[in-house]
Amino acid sequence: AQKITQTQPGMFVQEKEAVTLDCTYDTSDPSYGLFWYKQPSSGEMIFLIYQGSYDQQNATEGRYSLNFQKARKSANLVISASQLGDSAMYFCAMRERGGQGGADGLTFGKGTHLIIQP
Amino acid sequence: DAGVIQSPRHEVTEMGQEVTLRCKPISGHNSLFWYRQTMMRGLELLIYFNNNVPIDDSGMPEDRFSAKMPNASFSTLKIQPSEPRDSAVYFCASSFLSSNYGYTFGSGTRLTVV
Repeated sequence: AQKITQTQPGMFVQEKEAVTLDCTYDTSDPSYGLFWYKQPSSGEMIFLIYQGSYDQQNATEGRYSLNFQKARKSANLVISASQLGDSAMYFCAMRERGGQGGADGLTFGKGTHLIIQP
Repeated sequence: DAGVIQSPRHEVTEMGQEVTLRCKPISGHNSLFWYRQTMMRGLELLIYFNNNVPIDDSGMPEDRFSAKMPNASFSTLKIQPSEPRDSAVYFCASSFLSSNYGYTFGSGTRLTVV
């Protein structure tokens, strides 16, 4: 079974509208972290936002917020007031239990290709 | 900080040749990860190191792939012999402990095996 599921392969959104990118995850580990990354056409991976499984409040970073619904195992990314520069691939990722004094690797979803239209 | 530095940015090689990809993590980060990105399979974790020690290499596709981290500031991913199906973008990323601030990725190496 996939650990990270992103059901929207592509999305077209009008500039200035809010965007919600879906992400569901599967884990039996009570301690985990959820991440969103942006990959523009230039190819680099840009970290956007993080949510820990024990965090009581939804994470926010500027125009980005994470709608964390733990019981539903959902971690949707919300981009407010979208801009042309938001056009990119967006990846949801999960880190499960860290071990041996360091970090564990991230498991990524397949991504959503977001296109912002003027 | 210069970020995670990968070299080369692009590599074109002939099938059967040895390929070595290089990575310099962010100073102070104690975890290093190698990922491969393809259209078909997306982003796959190949191997990761904590404190220079390989922790999980279950993602390494075949014995043709090997990775080393001789010290905290340098890692290599080697493919020998290379095959056309190894063509992909290879990313290196580093992190400090169980970071809440994301794993910092390098710019990637685009490998083409002809």
